[in-house]
Amino acid sequence: GQQLNQSPQSMFIQEGEDVSMNCTSSSIFNTWLWYKQDPGEGPVLLIALYKAGELTSNGRLTAQFGITRKDSFLNISASIPSDVGIYFCAGSPNTGNQFYFGTGTSLTVIP
Amino acid sequence: DTAVSQTPKYLVTQMGNDKSIKCEQNLGHDTMYWYKQDSKKFLKIMFSYNNKELIINETVPNRFSPKSPDKAHLNLHINSLELGDSAVYFCASSRDFSYEQYFGPGTRLTVT
Repeated sequence: GQQLNQSPQSMFIQEGEDVSMNCTSSSIFNTWLWYKQDPGEGPVLLIALYKAGELTSNGRLTAQFGITRKDSFLNISASIPSDVGIYFCAGSPNTGNQFYFGTGTSLTVIP
Repeated sequence: DTAVSQTPKYLVTQMGNDKSIKCEQNLGHDTMYWYKQDSKKFLKIMFSYNNKELIINETVPNRFSPKSPDKAHLNLHINSLELGDSAVYFCASSRDFSYEQYFGPGTRLTVT
């Protein structure tokens, strides 16, 4: 099955710094989702995007649906220790199709 | 209220045994999924059910058999467990395909 590429694979940042990560696909997607997974837990949905160019925020998190529809971006502003975890993107090419998940970005925040 | 629940949380068993993992969702969703997450954290879809019917069956050994007794439940039965089956298995549900999926807490399966 298809797998999305996420970049970077891992990040180590100081508390208070901003974070940017992205997700790319070789094909066009119509829906993008961003999830966060804490250790020992299931992925939790952060943001859903449905339209090319769409910019959606959830607190300190902002995600964008790329204009080409082949990528999506997630930014976290003013990181805090509880932002630690693995962030996954997921994309679906068409209505009625399954979601394909990215390879994940592991975030470590140093207090 | 737990939206998607799975039991057990941990499962340790020996090679060759048969085991089941149960999943229930109280979100009123029509579609449910099983995912496998390996040691590298890759999430791979295994099965998808829509209104109790199997829709997606990725390349999974036929030792794995999902069963959906009703729309709110999707159980995973695994026969003749192998060492390579060790992983975390996640159940998820969504209103329909292409809608946001909500995940359960996962079941960590260890085969010794």
